Amino acid sequence: EDKVVQSPLSLVVHEGDTVTLNCSYEVTNFRSLLWYKQEKKAPTFLFMLTSSGIEKKSGRLSSILDKKELFSILNITATQTGDSAVYLCAPYSGAGSYQLTFGKGTKLSVIP
Amino acid sequence: KAGVTQTPRYLIKTRGQQVTLSCSPISGHRSVSWYQQTPGQGLQFLFEYFSETQRNKGNFPGRFSGRQFSNSRSEMNVSTLELGDSALYLCASSLGPSGNTGELFFGEGSRLTVL
Repeated sequence: EDKVVQSPLSLVVHEGDTVTLNCSYEVTNFRSLLWYKQEKKAPTFLFMLTSSGIEKKSGRLSSILDKKELFSILNITATQTGDSAVYLCAPYSGAGSYQLTFGKGTKLSVIP
Repeated sequence: KAGVTQTPRYLIKTRGQQVTLSCSPISGHRSVSWYQQTPGQGLQFLFEYFSETQRNKGNFPGRFSGRQFSNSRSEMNVSTLELGDSALYLCASSLGPSGNTGELFFGEGSRLTVL
């Protein structure tokens, strides 16, 4: 059974702080690791990581994948109130299916 | 380009009733998957459809069912509702196996409350 563990479950920071969100996974087959941001209802896609290393997006968000140690990190620098959301990670098997096993998410609250 | 559309957005039912939720995927997307989201369990996979065929089903009882139509629109049905079925039901669309990047496009969800 695939397992995905995210930590911390919740986090409260002040604007301008840097945060690190963690995602560890155990899956039978692995093709990529996906990160989503859920602000109100619909999760929106952030990153897809396929190789060990760093993927950057928007300059303030970056993510690292370690396929050997089976974890990923999402970093957000210079946080803004608009970053407040639940961040979800999910490993993807790529076996012709869109069945994703999501972690329970990290709820990030950024206060002014 | 319109996004994923789910209806209804909110609904309240009583135990024992049944409910049908609808999802219209992004134009050109042929794969639709359904997820249940609750505070305790997070996002859990229900089922996935492609070309009117169920490709995968999550670990949910038989009271949960779904189908996909020839225009890729999908419906899911929950019969004999229980209090624990109260959740946000999210539909996600994707291109299908040929465009298989793992990226899902989610709708806003249908919030079901069972009393």
